Amino acid sequence: DGGITQSPKYLFRKEGQNVTLSCEQNLNHDAMYWYRQDPGQGLRLIYYSQIVNDFQKGDIAEGYSVSREKKESFPLTVTSAQKNPTAFYLCASRGAGERWEQYFGPGTRLTVT
Amino acid sequence: LAKTTQPISMDSYEGQEVNITCSHNNIATNDYITWYQQFPSQGPRFIIQGYKTKVTNEVASLFIPADRKSSTLSLPRVSLSDTAVYYCLVGGRNTPLVFGKGTRLSVIA
Repeated sequence: DGGITQSPKYLFRKEGQNVTLSCEQNLNHDAMYWYRQDPGQGLRLIYYSQIVNDFQKGDIAEGYSVSREKKESFPLTVTSAQKNPTAFYLCASRGAGERWEQYFGPGTRLTVT
Repeated sequence: LAKTTQPISMDSYEGQEVNITCSHNNIATNDYITWYQQFPSQGPRFIIQGYKTKVTNEVASLFIPADRKSSTLSLPRVSLSDTAVYYCLVGGRNTPLVFGKGTRLSVIA
């Protein structure tokens, strides 16, 4: 099946630790995105990448880092500098063809205590 | 990036048609209007996309007036499973989609 996978679904970490969230897609999409969602809120853009080896900051990039070494993969690292890391994290990708809507992964719920 | 305004919440009974209107006064010439649906603890799912006039697919219709400053998502004969948050977004092919808070639709039996 083609799609986007995020792992793990639930992640628990102690405060002060860095943690990396995985996002993989087999849709052959060039663009990939990371969003954060807090309870009752909409999605906020953290980082996005429109091509391999290039990425841009979104609205709330502070405390996060990304890499895009392969087209299929766009991991997100939540660093200890992120003040309130507990949230639902969503990865998405988008193609460039006739249908260019964003496809979303199932999300990772991160809890930091 | 164009900003959208939509109602925070709506209630509907099963079997009724639901219309959710979105305002996007600053929409750019190259922007499309896209609607997504999100269930709790899941990623948003694409519903429909349009540029002007009317677009219909198997689940919804999208009405866009000539000035494109607003749009209306129409869900025919909703069921309990349509209870979700619906997001209206505007943007082009090369711009990341910006999500607002969406409209929380509650369908009542």
